[in-house]
Amino acid sequence: DGGITQSPKYLFRKEGQNVTLSCEQNLNHDAMYWYRQDPGQGLRLIYYSQIVNDFQKGDIAEGYSVSREKKESFPLTVTSAQKNPTAFYLCASSIGRGHEETQYFGPGTRLLVL
Amino acid sequence: LAKTTQPISMDSYEGQEVNITCSHNNIATNDYITWYQQFPSQGPRFIIQGYKTKVTNEVASLFIPADRKSSTLSLPRVSLSDTAVYYCLVGHDRGSTLGRLYFGRGTQLTVWP
Repeated sequence: DGGITQSPKYLFRKEGQNVTLSCEQNLNHDAMYWYRQDPGQGLRLIYYSQIVNDFQKGDIAEGYSVSREKKESFPLTVTSAQKNPTAFYLCASSIGRGHEETQYFGPGTRLLVL
Repeated sequence: LAKTTQPISMDSYEGQEVNITCSHNNIATNDYITWYQQFPSQGPRFIIQGYKTKVTNEVASLFIPADRKSSTLSLPRVSLSDTAVYYCLVGHDRGSTLGRLYFGRGTQLTVWP
């Protein structure tokens, strides 16, 4: 059954702690994305990756880091430098070959600060 | 990048047709128009995409006038389960082959019994 999985569904972070959100896809997509969504708002792009071992900052990359060591995986680390991390985080993937392509989203991870 | 404008919210009743219009005055020649649907605490789901005229699938229709400065998503005979946020997206990252998308606040559609 192809798709995108994110884990965990809920994540709690203590002050000063780094946490990592998992995103895995078995769609054989080249491109992957991380978005942040705050209540009542649209999605804002954090990082994106067009190909393995390459990634680019999005609009709100400060306080976040990513890696793309495998095609199917694109983990996001929320560092202690991110002062307001409470949000809904969404991972997406796409074929990565053109502007008409569709992005497929995972179920999301809700991050809460203790 | 083309910025979109759509109503913040809309209300409808079950069985009615709903039309959500999106303005995108600065759309570029090679930009596509894409609509996504999002339920609470879920990721957005692709609904429909078009470039010009009319596109129809099993879920919705998309009407795009000749000047492409606006588009209308049409949902026939809505049900309670169509209550969701609908996003209109236009544009891509010029100079890149990546289909980067920009999400606004979307339109909250509420369907009443």
